[in-house]
Amino acid sequence: GEDVEQSLFLSVREGDSSVINCTYTDSSSTYLYWYKQEPGAGLQLLTYIFSNMDMKQDQRLTVLLNKKDKHLSLRIADTQTGDSAIYFCAEKGYQKVTFGTGTKLQVIP
Amino acid sequence: DSGVTQTPKHLITATGQRVTLRCSPRSGDLSVYWYQQSLDQGLQFLIQYYNGEERAKGNILERFSAQQFPDLHSELNLSSLELGDSALYFCASSAMNTEAFFGQGTRLTVV
Repeated sequence: GEDVEQSLFLSVREGDSSVINCTYTDSSSTYLYWYKQEPGAGLQLLTYIFSNMDMKQDQRLTVLLNKKDKHLSLRIADTQTGDSAIYFCAEKGYQKVTFGTGTKLQVIP
Repeated sequence: DSGVTQTPKHLITATGQRVTLRCSPRSGDLSVYWYQQSLDQGLQFLIQYYNGEERAKGNILERFSAQQFPDLHSELNLSSLELGDSALYFCASSAMNTEAFFGQGTRLTVV
């Protein structure tokens, strides 16, 4: 079945870049997503990439997709304290979205 | 606002009791997903419904059940509650070719 894996925790200094990694198993994935969950809130879609793309940039966010290795990453440039949250990677297969367990990003001032 | 509505926002109940969580998906979305988020286990997929039918099942306990009604809203029923069931329960909805949109969650506390 589908599986999505992420590391649980990442700590960076304010102003540095953060890179959150994710691996998935479903080769038929059509979309891959990054969601952000701030404390006490639901998950909000940050960005997504089609499975036929290698890279997508959106302001401070860069998504890289290596389809051969089934590896997805999210780079946040100039990380701010407001970026502290849990980041979930997700992949969309046939009629179903599968989420990773989330990476908690801690930004140190 | 994601368009997905969950009620209630908070629920406190005693062990052994039964509760029902409700989810109204975004207008037109046929898929509804339920997730459990506890402090130490991240986001756990429980179950998915598509247009009223169960489509996928995750780590859902036998004490838990769900259904999706003809108007596409969904309910998650949790019975014989235990302390370990305390968690945030999220509902999400999606259309065929879109991302999942999440509700704000129901925080369940079992005392």
